[in-house]
Amino acid sequence: QKEVEQDPGPLSVPEGAIVSLNCTYSNSAFQYFMWYRQYSRKGPELLMYTYSSGNKEDGRFTAQVDKSSKYISLFIRDSQPSDSATYLCAMSSYNNNDMRFGAGTRLTVKP
Amino acid sequence: DAGITQSPRHKVTETGTPVTLRCHQTENHRYMYWYRQDPGHGLRLIHYSYGVKDTDKGEVSDGYSVSRSKTEDFLLTLESATSSQTSVYFCAISESTRKETQYFGPGTRLLVL
Repeated sequence: QKEVEQDPGPLSVPEGAIVSLNCTYSNSAFQYFMWYRQYSRKGPELLMYTYSSGNKEDGRFTAQVDKSSKYISLFIRDSQPSDSATYLCAMSSYNNNDMRFGAGTRLTVKP
Repeated sequence: DAGITQSPRHKVTETGTPVTLRCHQTENHRYMYWYRQDPGHGLRLIHYSYGVKDTDKGEVSDGYSVSRSKTEDFLLTLESATSSQTSVYFCAISESTRKETQYFGPGTRLLVL
């Protein structure tokens, strides 16, 4: 079993929809939770970062962490065609060098 | 891509040949990382560096070596390439160990025939 599980999709939604992306994990030592966005043939770019449990909002994006369930989510409101990309979850304990990534979910937002 | 370049961007090579990938940064960041990305596996850390001549192994280091003789350059070497090393390789840099400061380069696509 992988330490981080992420549904690879693909996920296709109409413009304006609310998108929910999720990851589960098994390592209870994880404290730092990140979401990266990766456009086709580009490097990942950090989208959201959360420490421990709780919610964090940035514009149309909301990240949620439920450590008791070992479950993290990224919500995208009012989705746009420019949001079409692969979204990767990542997490780590205190040491930055043990980051574990999910396999990524490919999202397409149709106009 | 935060002042990170990778070269070459694409490479095709044959099994058994040595291959060196280069990561160059202009940000003067202390930490540099090499990852590989494969379908179904996400990104996996190969090696990282925490300073000039200071390197350590990551999750999938077998078959790879690294060197860092200057702050700005981090080299990844496949001593004898195998087909299982066909992948997309990403370099990342960070100013500190803070999670949110890691920035990725554009990637190198390597095909080992």
